[in-house]
Amino acid sequence: AQRVTQPEKLLSVFKGAPVELKCNYSYSGSPELFWYVQYSRQRLQLLLRHISRESIKGFTADLNKGETSFHLKKPFAQEEDSAMYYCALRGATNKLIFGTGTLLAVQP
Amino acid sequence: EPEVTQTPSHQVTQMGQEVILRCVPISNHLYFYWYRQILGQKVEFLVSFYNNEISEKSEIFDDQFSVERPDGSNFTLKIRSTKLEDSAMYFCASHREGQPQHFGDGTRLSIL
Repeated sequence: AQRVTQPEKLLSVFKGAPVELKCNYSYSGSPELFWYVQYSRQRLQLLLRHISRESIKGFTADLNKGETSFHLKKPFAQEEDSAMYYCALRGATNKLIFGTGTLLAVQP
Repeated sequence: EPEVTQTPSHQVTQMGQEVILRCVPISNHLYFYWYRQILGQKVEFLVSFYNNEISEKSEIFDDQFSVERPDGSNFTLKIRSTKLEDSAMYFCASHREGQPQHFGDGTRLSIL
C-alpha cells in the first residue's frame, strides 16, 4: 500500500530552536518525495523534492530508504516558518499521496 | 512566475445542484489534477488528466464527477448532484513532464 505518515499534528518550538518534521512512507517501488508548505490562507507551495538535494529557506530533507523516511529539518526556526507542512509521495502514476500534515508553530 | 488559477474562490451550492469548478493550469503544462481536502483531513487525489483523457481516478471520483478540458486553457471539475459530504477545499494542480506539481489557491465548496 502507498502511504505517507506524518506522526505529529502540531509541533511548537521557540524561535532559534532546531526543527524536525517527521515523515515516513510506504511504497513498493522507488518513490519521489516532496515537502509542500501552506502558509496561512495561501496555496500549497513546493518546498523541497528529494532528487534536487537543495536547501530552501534553510530547510533540508534527506531520503533514507532504509528507514523509509524523509524528515524535514532546519537548524534554527524563524517565526515566518510557521505554517502547515505536508510530506507527499509520487509514484509511477504521477499522482501525489499526501500525509496528514504537521502544523509548525514557532513561538517568539 | 506563472501560477495555476482557480475560480471561484468560494462556491456555496444547495444539495442536489450541479457545480463546476474551474482551473487554468500553467500554460506549458501537460498534466492536470484535482485534489480535495475535507476540513481537518488530508489532501486526497481525485483524478489525473493527460492528453485529453483521464489517466487515473480515485475511488472518490464516482459517476457524479467529471472533468473536461473544453478549450486550450481551462480544466474543469463538475459535480452533477452535490451531496453534503462534497463540502471541501478543491485544489487543481498541473506540471510538466518530470517536474513537481504546482497548485492553485483552491476553491472552497460549501454544500447546504
